[in-house]
Amino acid sequence: GAGVSQSPSNKVTEKGKDVELRCDPISGHTALYWYRQSLGQGLEFLIYFQGNSAPDKSGLPSDRFSAERTGGSVSTLTIQRTQQEDSAVYLCASSLTPNAEQYFGPGTRLTVT
Amino acid sequence: DQQVKQNSPSLSVQEGRISILNCDYTNSMFDYFLWYKKYPAEGPTFLISISSIKDKNEDGRFTVFLNKSAKHLSLHIVPSQPGDSAVYFCAASALRIQGAQKLVFGQGTRLTINP
Repeated sequence: GAGVSQSPSNKVTEKGKDVELRCDPISGHTALYWYRQSLGQGLEFLIYFQGNSAPDKSGLPSDRFSAERTGGSVSTLTIQRTQQEDSAVYLCASSLTPNAEQYFGPGTRLTVT
Repeated sequence: DQQVKQNSPSLSVQEGRISILNCDYTNSMFDYFLWYKKYPAEGPTFLISISSIKDKNEDGRFTVFLNKSAKHLSLHIVPSQPGDSAVYFCAASALRIQGAQKLVFGQGTRLTINP
C-alpha cells in the first residue's frame, strides 16, 4: 500500500518568505508527527497530532512555526518569515496508534537563501 | 542538551563480520528504545525496538542490547551484509509518561560494509 508521502521534495526559498510543507500520512493512521533534521544533527521532534485532540506543539522552535491537520488526514507545516537556520530536512511520520511503529516519509529538503 | 548520543559518526566493517553500533542516553524517563535505518533520499525505516523491561531483543541478524544502569544500548548486526550500509539512528521515548512516541533521536552512525 501507499506509504507516507511529502511534498515538495525540495524547496528553495528566500529569507523572509513563508513556506508550506505537506504530508499525506498512511490511510487510517491516527497519529502524525513532524520532525526536522538539521545538518549533522539527529531528528528533532516538532509537533504531534492524535485524532481530533489538540496537537502537542512542545517541539516547535518558535512562533514562526505552525501546523495543522485537516480532517484527521493531510497535514501542513507552515514556516513564516523563514530564516537561514530553518534550512533542514523536514520529515513527517504517521502511526496507526500513538504507541505504534512510526512510518516516515521521504522528507522535504528546505533551503533558505 | 543532547539526550541521545551516538558518538561514532561512522563505522566500517568487513562483510560477514559483526557490526556493533552504540548509543547512550541521559534521560532516565526513557522507557522505549528503537533503531532506525536510513538510506539516502529516503525516510528512516524502523529496524528493531526494545522496552526498558527487557535487556535484549533479537530479530534475525539484528539484536539490540539495553544496559539501563549504564544508560547504554547497542545494535549488533551479524553477519553484516553490503545492503546493511546505511545511516543508523538510535531513538528513545518516554512512552509510559507521554502516551505517545515523541522520539528523541541520536545524530546517527554511517555504517559501511566492505566486500
